[in-house]
Amino acid sequence: EPEVTQTPSHQVTQMGQEVILRCVPISNHLYFYWYRQILGQKVEFLVSFYNNEISEKSEIFDDQFSVERPDGSNFTLKIRSTKLEDSAMYFCASTPGSQETQYFGPGTRLLVL
Amino acid sequence: AQSVTQPDIHITVSEGASLELRCNYSYGATPYLFWYVQSPGQGLQLLLKYFSGDTLVQGIKGFEAEFKRSQSSFNLRKPSVHWSDAAEYFCAVYSGGGADGLTFGKGTHLIIQP
Repeated sequence: EPEVTQTPSHQVTQMGQEVILRCVPISNHLYFYWYRQILGQKVEFLVSFYNNEISEKSEIFDDQFSVERPDGSNFTLKIRSTKLEDSAMYFCASTPGSQETQYFGPGTRLLVL
Repeated sequence: AQSVTQPDIHITVSEGASLELRCNYSYGATPYLFWYVQSPGQGLQLLLKYFSGDTLVQGIKGFEAEFKRSQSSFNLRKPSVHWSDAAEYFCAVYSGGGADGLTFGKGTHLIIQP
């Protein structure tokens, strides 16, 4: 069964550094998402991406964040200058169409020191 | 704004006992509702979903959920839990208006007693 994959599984970085989190969505899916889950808290929507552009973003997704689909398979989340409060689990998800079932990857745990 | 409430932060159930996890949503139109499960250190796995039709939906691992519009609820049930069901359970709803992001509840941590 096709799965969403994410790399790396864990990343440790220094405050102020740039990080890129990578995701490979399910191959025939057209909508891609990033969510984050701060330890002990609920999963929060960051951004959705369709047809090579952002279709929706939350108030969390400020100018420090960007997303890109650099090729036909990868979907990336970049944090330009990480802050301590960016420490969280970041999940990628994909769906074949709008408002269909979202399939989640295993997540990347980011720790900012 | 839409919201999802899971009133129970922790629930402890004996193995073999029945389970009900509560979920209430606040959303004007017919919601698209989901239950996901997260085992420790793992991602989110879809248990079941409700889009329309029969209000009692069956999912994987023996779980079911019932959509009750009058109560704005979508409670998750299982007649007999197994130790492997110990996990975090999240209820989620589409934000509506054609928007794409899921709104999640805070989750319920399920503990299984032997």
